[in-house]
Amino acid sequence: QKEVEQDPGPLSVPEGAIVSLNCTYSNSAFQYFMWYRQYSRKGPELLMYTYSSGNKEDGRFTAQVDKSSKYISLFIRDSQPSDSATYLCAYLSGGGADGLTFGKGTHLIIQP
Amino acid sequence: GAVVSQHPSWVICKSGTSVKIECRSLDFQATTMFWYRQFPKQSLMLMATSNEGSKATYEQGVEKDKFLINHASLTLSTLTVTSAHPEDSSFYICSAPQRGAETQYFGPGTRLLVL
Repeated sequence: QKEVEQDPGPLSVPEGAIVSLNCTYSNSAFQYFMWYRQYSRKGPELLMYTYSSGNKEDGRFTAQVDKSSKYISLFIRDSQPSDSATYLCAYLSGGGADGLTFGKGTHLIIQP
Repeated sequence: GAVVSQHPSWVICKSGTSVKIECRSLDFQATTMFWYRQFPKQSLMLMATSNEGSKATYEQGVEKDKFLINHASLTLSTLTVTSAHPEDSSFYICSAPQRGAETQYFGPGTRLLVL
């Protein structure tokens, strides 16, 4: 079983829709949960990070973590064409000097 | 957010040559930096952890003699791909944690094509 599972998509939705992106993980050592956005041929951009179960909101983005189910989600409200990108979930074991474990990324397309 | 730069942004080289990629943290110091590799339509895979003042640590399956890492200062890490071959063609990205490892900021990446 892979440590991180993420549907690669593509996921295509109309502009203005609410987008739901999800990842599951199997490693109980993961303590920090991040979402990155990556445009084509660019480095990933940190969107949000959290370390506890529950919701964290930042503008149009909401990150949700359910540690009991080992499931994380990113919701995007009022989606815009500029949100079209690949969204990567990432995890950290919390050792302080660890690299991140990434999902494969979901390719999101917002149709104007 | 914090800014991390990489140079060059892309490089084309002949098989057998060595290529050096620089990663700089522009507005903060980083005792640790990370190097990732991303193949087309794949996720980022951690290659190695670069430590200022000590040896780098490599992930399983990454050849340390092929991918030389030098963390020369608190703002600079370099990755040298020695005797590059076509299978080394990939997108190489570095990251640096600003406050803690949970806030890693990535460089723009370096696209390497080995002919």
